[in-house]
Amino acid sequence: DAGVIQSPRHEVTEMGQEVTLRCKPISGHNSLFWYRQTMMRGLELLIYFNNNVPIDDSGMPEDRFSAKMPNASFSTLKIQPSEPRDSAVYFCASSFVSANTGELFFGEGSRLTVL
Amino acid sequence: KNEVEQSPQNLTAQEGEFITINCSYSVGISALHWLQQHPGGGIVSLFMLSSGKKKHGRLIATINIQEKHSSLHITASHPRDSAVYICAVNSGTYKYIFGTGTRLKVLA
Repeated sequence: DAGVIQSPRHEVTEMGQEVTLRCKPISGHNSLFWYRQTMMRGLELLIYFNNNVPIDDSGMPEDRFSAKMPNASFSTLKIQPSEPRDSAVYFCASSFVSANTGELFFGEGSRLTVL
Repeated sequence: KNEVEQSPQNLTAQEGEFITINCSYSVGISALHWLQQHPGGGIVSLFMLSSGKKKHGRLIATINIQEKHSSLHITASHPRDSAVYICAVNSGTYKYIFGTGTRLKVLA
């Protein structure tokens, strides 16, 4: 299996621009997570999808952030408009959750720099 | 107090040394995960544990549910083991609580 695939790996943009991060989870996994990693706060859960349905988006910082999962093999995280404080590494992870747990498989991450 | 505590925060070892990284947690869990992140790199799942011990190559992970403690051991450490090791617990929901990580540097 190819693992969790994220794109782009690196994105540099200017404040106010729209940013779209993409994720292809592992085939057969029923859960998808978007995390943000910073030096100050570590890994923070932004949103969790189960069977393509958003279950918990309480970690999404504000209305500038939105996420979609139109099908089992694709998800996007969009930031519009972007701000310098959004600079971080964004990880997508997928899992097959059974009996309330499952092994997490992470993508390589998308490193976002907002100037 | 964090729900997941790791120690040490930083560790420098000589190649060949036996290394132990500890993780203590204060919540009930269904599973504990050990993750590895190389500098500038992605995050790799090393182990998922709910009891006992698991071994993969030079890595061994143990968990004591009663004491709410887990250890990750690296035998015959090598410079390529240099990475951040993250302990994460799954409390029976989709939420994973992450430790702050242990930064390991193995010198040749």
